[in-house]
Amino acid sequence: GAGVSQSPSNKVTEKGKDVELRCDPISGHTALYWYRQSLGQGLEFLIYFQGNSAPDKSGLPSDRFSAERTGGSVSTLTIQRTQQEDSAVYLCASSQTGNYGYTFGSGTRLTVV
Amino acid sequence: SQQGEEDPQALSIQEGENATMNCSYKTSINNLQWYRQNSGRGLVHLILIRSNEREKHSGRLRVTLDTSKKSSSLLITASRAADTASYFCATVPLSGSARQLTFGSGTQLTVLP
Repeated sequence: GAGVSQSPSNKVTEKGKDVELRCDPISGHTALYWYRQSLGQGLEFLIYFQGNSAPDKSGLPSDRFSAERTGGSVSTLTIQRTQQEDSAVYLCASSQTGNYGYTFGSGTRLTVV
Repeated sequence: SQQGEEDPQALSIQEGENATMNCSYKTSINNLQWYRQNSGRGLVHLILIRSNEREKHSGRLRVTLDTSKKSSSLLITASRAADTASYFCATVPLSGSARQLTFGSGTQLTVLP
């Protein structure tokens, strides 16, 4: 597609449930990134994929968070046993390899009640 | 922790005036990028400046980089009400395995009509 697509755009879930967030990057972009942003805050890095591998998972806040990327394209971020502090906007971005800017999706706003 | 810190945190100006936002960072960088965010959702890439560049222009935007001071500035000339948004600087480190952008906490710019 022309841009980075994220789904769902909004998700309300009950505490303790698992959620899956999807990111469809720009075709041909080998690098894919997940960030989260709490209300009024900057972006917090979660994980980076180069192709299907994840060289840097250092930002995942706990073992309840996991992510995968298949076929060098679509990525899913899974949060197990959600907690209220997981409420945030989860942003996905993709880029070409090299000194290029990122293209961000519109994000998924997750609310844990 | 945040690599980039923007200054000021909030800026309010009249339409037609120039807006200047500053960013300081801590470690050596490969490049520095500026992004704009409306309404807490997806970010839009504005401009990328490499570590060996000192100034870059794009339309009404001018970015400077001083690697000796580890700082950058974003100047928006002849501001418009539509420029109202949050502006973030982000850096890519010079070395190491990290490839992801590290974002500052942003400057909220309000342009009054």
